[in-house]
Amino acid sequence: ELKVEQNPLFLSMQEGKNYTIYCNYSTTSDRLYWYRQDPGKSLESLFVLLSNGAVKQEGRLMASLDTKARLSTLHITAAVHDLSATYFCAVDDAGGTSYGKLTFGQGTILTVHP
Amino acid sequence: DGGITQSPKYLFRKEGQNVTLSCEQNLNHDAMYWYRQDPGQGLRLIYYSQIVNDFQKGDIAEGYSVSREKKESFPLTVTSAQKNPTAFYLCASSQRASSYEQYFGPGTRLTVT
Repeated sequence: ELKVEQNPLFLSMQEGKNYTIYCNYSTTSDRLYWYRQDPGKSLESLFVLLSNGAVKQEGRLMASLDTKARLSTLHITAAVHDLSATYFCAVDDAGGTSYGKLTFGQGTILTVHP
Repeated sequence: DGGITQSPKYLFRKEGQNVTLSCEQNLNHDAMYWYRQDPGQGLRLIYYSQIVNDFQKGDIAEGYSVSREKKESFPLTVTSAQKNPTAFYLCASSQRASSYEQYFGPGTRLTVT
């Protein structure tokens, strides 16, 4: 059974600081996704990582994937208040016809304060 | 505009009643998914369908049923057998190729009393 663990689960950051959220998973997969969720809202896709060594960047967020270590990171650079949200990683329990069967991490609640 | 719609946004039911949640997409995606989210937790997969007239159980299918008679529609029925149905239900869809990136609908918040 695929397990996905994020840490930290709660992250309180000061504006302007840098930090990294980690996503570890338990079985072989080369498809990993990062999503953002604002309170009471649905999920917004941030990054799609499809191979070992993949790196994607959008604004102050950068995601990477190391399939050998079964680890993805979401790095936040110079945080701003607008980044406050819950961030989820999700791993595809891939294999043959099972593409799209995602297992989600618990989520990291990020709060950015002045 | 292409997207995924879920209705209703809020739904209230009495215990023991079945209820059906709607999910429609006009993205021409082959695959559709239903997730459940409980407060402070991640999403858990209930059912998914990769093609019309075919669907598979996810991790928590007990007490739920689905149908996929049309490509654009994937309704979820929460039956009276589901012991803790109160939750936020999210529908998603993806193309069966390339990245399989899933796009989510706005969700339905179900409260059963």
